[in-house]
Amino acid sequence: EPEVTQTPSHQVTQMGQEVILRCVPISNHLYFYWYRQILGQKVEFLVSFYNNEISEKSEIFDDQFSVERPDGSNFTLKIRSTKLEDSAMYFCASSEARGKALNYGYTFGSGTRLTVV
Amino acid sequence: SQELEQSPQSLIVQEGKNLTINCTSSKTLYGLYWYKQKYGEGLIFLMMLQKGGEEKSHEKITAKLDEKKQQSSLHITASQPSHAGIYLCGADPVYNFNKFYFGSGTKLNVKP
Repeated sequence: EPEVTQTPSHQVTQMGQEVILRCVPISNHLYFYWYRQILGQKVEFLVSFYNNEISEKSEIFDDQFSVERPDGSNFTLKIRSTKLEDSAMYFCASSEARGKALNYGYTFGSGTRLTVV
Repeated sequence: SQELEQSPQSLIVQEGKNLTINCTSSKTLYGLYWYKQKYGEGLIFLMMLQKGGEEKSHEKITAKLDEKKQQSSLHITASQPSHAGIYLCGADPVYNFNKFYFGSGTKLNVKP
């Protein structure tokens, strides 16, 4: 069964450093997402991406965050200057276009645990 | 904003007992998903429900979606310690396919 792959599984970074989290969505999916879960808390929506642009973002997704699909297969989340409160599990997801009811579905990656020290 | 309410927030059951977790939305949903998560780990996909009145089962876990597509239940029969974890419902509303919302989770502990 197709999977969404996230790398690395765990990253430790110094406060103020830039970090890039990588995701390989399912190849025929068109919509891509990032979510964040601070340990013990709710999974929160960060951003959705379609047709090479952001289609929606939450208030969490401020100027420190950016997303990119650099080469047609990877989907990345960059945090420019990490803060302690950015420590969380980050999940990538992808989905097909709406309308294909039988194939429709969101698929989540297994997550990247980011620890900012 | 779209919210998914899960109940109960936590649950402790004796091994072998049945249990039910509920997930309620104020708006009609396009699809409703159930996930399991061990504390601090990734999401394990359990089931997706898309049609009103749909019911799906996998091993000892059964999920149902009501006809209005606003409420779902997850039922575990004869619980085992391996069922312990956090159960999350997630869904996307009919009016916005750019967002997928999660409930706050139900923490399940199964006592041997």
